[in-house]
Amino acid sequence: KNQVEQSPQSLIILEGKNCTLQCNYTVSPFSNLRWYKQDTGRGPVSLTIMTFSENTKSNGRYTATLDADTKQSSLHITASQLSDSASYICVAPNTGGFKTIFGAGTRLFVKA
Amino acid sequence: GAVVSQHPSRVICKSGTSVKIECRSLDFQATTMFWYRQFPKKSLMLMATSNEGSKATYEQGVEKDKFLINHASLTLSTLTVTSAHPEDSSFYICSAPTTGTDTQYFGPGTRLTVL
Repeated sequence: KNQVEQSPQSLIILEGKNCTLQCNYTVSPFSNLRWYKQDTGRGPVSLTIMTFSENTKSNGRYTATLDADTKQSSLHITASQLSDSASYICVAPNTGGFKTIFGAGTRLFVKA
Repeated sequence: GAVVSQHPSRVICKSGTSVKIECRSLDFQATTMFWYRQFPKKSLMLMATSNEGSKATYEQGVEKDKFLINHASLTLSTLTVTSAHPEDSSFYICSAPTTGTDTQYFGPGTRLTVL
């Protein structure tokens, strides 16, 4: 069964601290894995996209890693800011790249 | 990057009425668009795949007669919620992939409240 599981479900951190969000996927065949940021009441915005041959990809303070052997991905946020408060969704398309499997998301709260 | 817009951003309607939501790809053409609904604190759930020039493909459990989808052009797909009920209240989001890639760009969403 194609699934994407994320942890933790929610996370509270202080501004300036780092954090890491986890994503385990069982999607086959695997095409790529993406992390999206979704602000409350808004549509998701892409942060990173990684194919199975990529181990890490950065986008500013966001760094995603991918282990295709263990089927795990992580999103590391460095020096968090209040504006990082959002839901972070791990997404894995399967065959054809369009039948997308969404994780339930991690809700991150950054406090001053 | 590519931009997808939705209109309206929020709508309140009475039970029994119909509501149309538009999804537009502003700077690219999209032969395929996707419609999702999202309940509070839940992830996106794919409702249907909108195909330009042909019928939409609905996910299991989604009533095609209730959620009418029309992909009239390469830049516009519409979702009409017919005979709306309070349980249809949700956040509806569309997305579209750019040609030649499987990168999806999401619209900002439409908040539907049915009274």
